[in-house]
Amino acid sequence: KNEVEQSPQNLTAQEGEFITINCSYSVGISALHWLQQHPGGGIVSLFMLSSGKKKHGRLIATINIQEKHSSLHITASHPRDSAVYICAVPGNSGGSNYKLTFGKGTLLTVNP
Amino acid sequence: NAGVTQTPKFQVLKTGQSMTLQCAQDMNHNSMYWYRQDPGMGLRLIYYSASEGTTDKGEVPNGYNVSRLNKREFSLRLESAAPSQTSVYFCASSLSSYEQYFGPGTRLTVT
Repeated sequence: KNEVEQSPQNLTAQEGEFITINCSYSVGISALHWLQQHPGGGIVSLFMLSSGKKKHGRLIATINIQEKHSSLHITASHPRDSAVYICAVPGNSGGSNYKLTFGKGTLLTVNP
Repeated sequence: NAGVTQTPKFQVLKTGQSMTLQCAQDMNHNSMYWYRQDPGMGLRLIYYSASEGTTDKGEVPNGYNVSRLNKREFSLRLESAAPSQTSVYFCASSLSSYEQYFGPGTRLTVT
């Protein structure tokens, strides 16, 4: 079973700071997902990536397949970025994206 | 487009009662999922339906049944609720195995 570790568990930043959240997994995968869960509970998919880097606005996700590691970066952070960020990968080696294993999440708080 | 909708938003059950959580999507997605989220545990897959007419167990299927009623709807049934099933339940859908779109969640308490 794929094990997913996220770090840090909690992160507090000042508005404008550059944020990095890390995700490591134990078994080779076809793709990795980053999701955002707002304080109200809603969950939104941010990225699905299998190699290299993807960018959407101020969010950048990178993945290193050989090192089994992904990072989510937020540039020029804003209080509205405050949320839980969750990493997810297929549950087994060669497993499909239907059965995802989720990290426990990183709680990000951005203060004005 | 409403996206993924779930009903009810909140529910309180007594131990042993049954109920069905409803989920519908209007994005013409062929895959649908049910998750539960518990404090400190992360999201866990209960059941999924890769396509209309098929369902498969996820990580924590015991105590639950599902029905893929049609392409739009995927319901989750608790036949005899237990306090261990107190959780927040999320339904999601996707086009095949790509990015998943989540519903707003159902907060269930079993006393």
